[in-house]
Amino acid sequence: AQSVTQLDSQVPVFEEAPVELRCNYSSSVSVYLFWYVQYPNQGLQLLLKYLSGSTLVKGINGFEAEFNKSQTSFHLRKPSVHISDTAEYFCAVSDVYKPGGFKTIFGAGTRLFVKA
Amino acid sequence: NAGVTQTPKFRVLKTGQSMTLLCAQDMNHEYMYWYRQDPGMGLRLIHYSVGEGTTAKGEVPDGYNVSRLKKQNFLLGLESAAPSQTSVYFCASSPDLRTGRSGELFFGEGSRLTVL
Repeated sequence: AQSVTQLDSQVPVFEEAPVELRCNYSSSVSVYLFWYVQYPNQGLQLLLKYLSGSTLVKGINGFEAEFNKSQTSFHLRKPSVHISDTAEYFCAVSDVYKPGGFKTIFGAGTRLFVKA
Repeated sequence: NAGVTQTPKFRVLKTGQSMTLLCAQDMNHEYMYWYRQDPGMGLRLIHYSVGEGTTAKGEVPDGYNVSRLKKQNFLLGLESAAPSQTSVYFCASSPDLRTGRSGELFFGEGSRLTVL
């Protein structure tokens, strides 16, 4: 069975500092990996995804993530955060399941709080 | 672009009452999902649908029913609401495997339900 663990529930950081949000997953099959962002009182939107190929993926708003198969991790990074990056971030894993479609499992979320 | 639209956005129910949440998508997506979001627990899949006329159970289906009579609509019903169903409910849709956007979910803005 798939599972996703986000290792930090909250991450406070000063503006313009780098940040890393950690995500580990477990699955018995090949998976697709995602990071979603949720701003207050909004739905989730895709930040970036890993399907195959290069293990370093770049997303919107300057975020990037690295897929590490041996460590089953998919950590999210940004070299310099802005106040506007304050939001909740969700790591997610999905695989193809029968009879079709994707079953996506989410982590508990990490609240990023950027301070001035 | 409307994307995924959920109605209503807010609702307060008394224990034992019934209600239906409506999700509509205008992207011609095959797959649709209902999640609930609770603090510290991320998103948990309630039910999903891989096409018109088909539905299946997710991680936490008890107390909920769904229907997908039209491709663009996915209804979530609570027959007898309980306080444990107080949550924020998110509908999502995703395109099928042939589009190249494998696994990406498109979310509505959420429906906040309180059961007293």
